[in-house]
Amino acid sequence: EVQLVESGGGLVQPGGSLRLSCAASGFTFSSYWMSWVRQAPGKGLEWVASIKKDGNEKYYVDSVRGRFTISRENAKNSLYLQMNSLSTEDSAVYYCAKNERYCTSTTCYDYGLDVWGQGTTVTVSS
Amino acid sequence: SHVLTQTPSVSVAPGQTARITCGGSNIGSKSVHWYQQRPGQAPVLVVYDDTDRPSGIPERFSGSNSENTATLTISRVEAGDEADYYCQMWDSTNHRVVFGGGTKLTVL
Repeated sequence: EVQLVESGGGLVQPGGSLRLSCAASGFTFSSYWMSWVRQAPGKGLEWVASIKKDGNEKYYVDSVRGRFTISRENAKNSLYLQMNSLSTEDSAVYYCAKNERYCTSTTCYDYGLDVWGQGTTVTVSS
Repeated sequence: SHVLTQTPSVSVAPGQTARITCGGSNIGSKSVHWYQQRPGQAPVLVVYDDTDRPSGIPERFSGSNSENTATLTISRVEAGDEADYYCQMWDSTNHRVVFGGGTKLTVL
């Protein structure tokens, strides 16, 4: 069974740090782009970051660039999100998602986020 | 940069057809995906690459995309289809994933 399981969420004070993890199983993790998507309470989905299958390309939403770092450890089938300088606006459920995305030397083909974890909740509050 | 605009809410009676739209400049030239999110659950991909359905998604769910509007169509709507629906695309110019604001589908 293809599965993603997030962990590492919790309560943190403004300015603090947190590291989220996502454990993948049931598919060849190293063959896929991966993404983090968050959802603040009562709000819509917001993309946070994506990472290429070999980890050599990383992309971020403007609001987290410089504060968050996406990374992966293919040997451990794991995806991470290091979050620093957290603010109350970062409070959300954070989902990891498998990205069906394939790139040639000139073009990328995207087929969506086809597997999602159940999410982990991050609350930034004093 | 690309912005995807969705109508906040759509209501439909059981058995009828629901159409949820996603507007964006020249979106017809992009590959658009649709997600269903039931309350308290993670999103589920229901249509990808404008028109394709993942395995396990009923044929009642279909998609189209032309010019400035992508559309998710749900035929023979059931009570279990009540959920939030999001469109999404990859903005290749700015290297980012873009979601629409979401549409709440209410089954009357």
